[in-house]
Amino acid sequence: SQQGEEDPQALSIQEGENATMNCSYKTSINNLQWYRQNSGRGLVHLILIRSNEREKHSGRLRVTLDTSKKSSSLLITASRAADTASYFCATYYGGSQGNLIFGKGTKLSVKP
Amino acid sequence: EAGVTQSPTHLIKTRGQQATLRCSPISGHTSVYWYQQALGLGLQFLLWYDEGEERNRGNFPPRFSGRQFPNYSSELNVNALELEDSALYLCASSSIRGTEAFFGQGTRLTVV
Repeated sequence: SQQGEEDPQALSIQEGENATMNCSYKTSINNLQWYRQNSGRGLVHLILIRSNEREKHSGRLRVTLDTSKKSSSLLITASRAADTASYFCATYYGGSQGNLIFGKGTKLSVKP
Repeated sequence: EAGVTQSPTHLIKTRGQQATLRCSPISGHTSVYWYQQALGLGLQFLLWYDEGEERNRGNFPPRFSGRQFPNYSSELNVNALELEDSALYLCASSSIRGTEAFFGQGTRLTVV
């Protein structure tokens, strides 16, 4: 079963707007990661947020983590057409850090 | 520093044949993860290797197998190929269990 679930499944916005994607997970975690995948390519690691962190920034990306609600959000500010991609959250599941499990992803489309 | 490399980039096989996919992790990384991504779908966890041992496998039949070599590179074997095995196979590596995982560009397997 999936450990993380992203919401919404698809998001379409205009260039310059902000995009917010949410991720919920089921079990306790040590960290949560966000990835981007351009069509048919490998995944690009965006950011890792630890369970003792509430917010983390990287350029135009802002990630928040709420361990009490078992949820995280990824905000992309001032979006660009090049941000068009699928975005996934991932957490480690199981003992000894376990295996890395992904949600189903949010497909973001940024229109110029 | 070289990233995760996968070979071949594309592979075309006939139903019933065997496919071998290879992954070289980032230097110093000991954990390797394999995923299957069918067209338009999310990442399905296949196998996790760490320090030469298989640590966990996803819900896939035994004809999906693999191994990790002493230099931490890994091989995924798919026997008795079926049409439904056509997918993008992604490999990721991490330096320590439970930390950032980085992906290769994937192997596109087509079964005809």
